Order: sequence, then structure tokens, then C-alpha cells
Amino acid sequence: RKEVEQDPGPFNVPEGATVAFNCTYSNSASQSFFWYRQDCRKEPKLLMSVYSSGNEDGRFTAQLNRASQYISLLIRDSKLSDSATYLCVVNIDFTGGGNKLTFGTGTQLKVEL
Amino acid sequence: EPEVTQTPSHQVTQMGQEVILRCVPISNHLYFYWYRQILGQKVEFLVSFYNNEISEKSEIFDDQFSVERPDGSNFTLKIRSTKLEDSAMYFCASMQAGNQPQHFGDGTRLSIL
Repeated sequence: RKEVEQDPGPFNVPEGATVAFNCTYSNSASQSFFWYRQDCRKEPKLLMSVYSSGNEDGRFTAQLNRASQYISLLIRDSKLSDSATYLCVVNIDFTGGGNKLTFGTGTQLKVEL
Repeated sequence: EPEVTQTPSHQVTQMGQEVILRCVPISNHLYFYWYRQILGQKVEFLVSFYNNEISEKSEIFDDQFSVERPDGSNFTLKIRSTKLEDSAMYFCASMQAGNQPQHFGDGTRLSIL
């Protein structure tokens, strides 16, 4: 089983649509969770952290279900500028003090006129 | 907004040559990382660095790789004898404290001929 699994898409949606992305992770020791967005050949940019209580930032809502090891991202009223690849990212801390981010392969979103 | 900067943006090197990729993390950050992304694939963790030593490394980070923080600002990744399969985008990231998001530089595209 992949460490972080996402549907690669692409999701082609019209402007104004609501779109949802899902992600599952395999390591139950994962401590913190994020959604990053990546534009073509650019660096990953933090979109938002994800908390068990759910959190919202404008048109974006993220949710975490630790029992199911499942993370979601909802984008409302999508804009052309939302077109990008959305990366589900899981952080694992190690007992020696180190940590690492594990990335999913990303879900590609294309918002069209 | 403070950002992570990386140089060069593109490095072309002959196979077998040494290459050094440079990064200036965000100034008050304490944790430093290198990731790589082969074209069309997911972002992969290479190494984490804290308190002037490697805190975690992946299987990819073999004896050909090394990292250094030679002064208070720079963080470098050295590949001693490059291989064709080292061709990738290399991202530096930094983090202020545990469980915070990591912030990425805009990457160095490494092309091995």
C-alpha cells in the first residue's frame, strides 16, 4: 500500500463548481497533515494545514479522519487560478528528533471557462 | 514574506562530476530539508538537518550525497559523482519548529548529461 494515496485526476470542472479531493495514508504514526499546491514545474506551496476538527480558509475546507486515515480538501466556487496539482502531505516525526514529509502523487485540477 | 532561496535555478553537469546545490533557508528557521522530484513523479524526501547534524535520511541519500551548513545562513547539498538518474528538481525546505509547515524554495533543476 502506498504511504500516501491520491486519485491523480485530472479533474476538469467549470468555473464556480465545487470539487472535492480525497487522500488516504498508511502510517498511523503520522502526526501532522497538510495540503500543498504545485503549479507545473514549480515548488510545492502550502495551501493549508489539516486538523481533526476540520478547518476552513476562505473557499477551501480541509478535514482529517484519523480513525480512517483519510484526509479531504473541498474547494468551493472554483476559479481559473485554482488550476494546479494538489498534494496531500503527511508529516512523520522520528524518535531521534528528525522528521520528514511524505507526499502523495497529487491530484490535478483543471478549472475551465 | 520571508522565503527560501535556492541557487542555481538550473545546473547542467556531466555524469561523474560533483555538483553543489545551494539554499538559504528562512532566517529564524531551525530545521532544514532537501527533497527531490523526478519529472512526472512525486516529491521524495532526501534528508533532514537540525542542530548542525543530519537527523533523518532516506534510502536515496547514499554515500554520494552530503549536506552542510557552512555558515549561519547557507545549507548545501553535494552530490559527489553524479549519475544520469540524479536528474531531477531539487527542493530545499525549512521549518521554524516541530509540527509547523515546511516552506519550500523554488528549486534547482539538475540535468545530468
